[in-house]
Amino acid sequence: DAGVTQSPTHLIKTRGQHVTLRCSPISGHKSVSWYQQVLGQGPQFIFQYYEKEERGRGNFPDRFSARQFPNYSSELNVNALLLGDSALYLCASSYRLAGGDAEQFFGPGTRLTVL
Amino acid sequence: QKEVEQNSGPLSVPEGAIASLNCTYSDRVSQSFFWYRQYSGKSPELIMSIYSNGDKEDGRFTAQLNKASQYVSLLIRDSQPSDSATYLCAVNRYCGGSNYKLTFGKGTLLTVNP
Repeated sequence: DAGVTQSPTHLIKTRGQHVTLRCSPISGHKSVSWYQQVLGQGPQFIFQYYEKEERGRGNFPDRFSARQFPNYSSELNVNALLLGDSALYLCASSYRLAGGDAEQFFGPGTRLTVL
Repeated sequence: QKEVEQNSGPLSVPEGAIASLNCTYSDRVSQSFFWYRQYSGKSPELIMSIYSNGDKEDGRFTAQLNKASQYVSLLIRDSQPSDSATYLCAVNRYCGGSNYKLTFGKGTLLTVNP
């Protein structure tokens, strides 16, 4: 079975630009979460979506937004990029809303570099 | 107090030894706990989940949970050089309504020396 897929793999942008990252969950999974991981730290929660609705938001500025489509794929958008947005962006999917015992499985990530 | 704390590491063990990785969490109502392995340059891979007090074994891995002490650990028996990676502890924290948030520790870098 295919796992979580993300595109692109790598991305280089300059400050002030906008970026869109894409994620396709494991077949049958309805929940997608986004995380940011900077070097030396654990992943930080950005958003969670379930059945196309936002179900959680982490402590990130409004420059970060996301959405989930009817096929459960998702996009993460970041506007007005800053140098500090350089990180590995991870998408994780779970079968249902990530509550209780729902396990989350990560995609390979998108490495974003902001120059 | 940080939400999820792991022993700072790095941790170095000889091949064949037991590696012990520890994690504490601050939110007493947390219900589910996970260990992820992350190789350098790769994404986290789920290796263990635990929801009840006690031990859970899967091959060479044993997760231990003590909710009263707010403590989770991962033991790796017969450590192999291929186990060398960063191990991330993650806790599912309730955020209100039917929403939860997976919160990670900083990770512990484990090196298994041949």
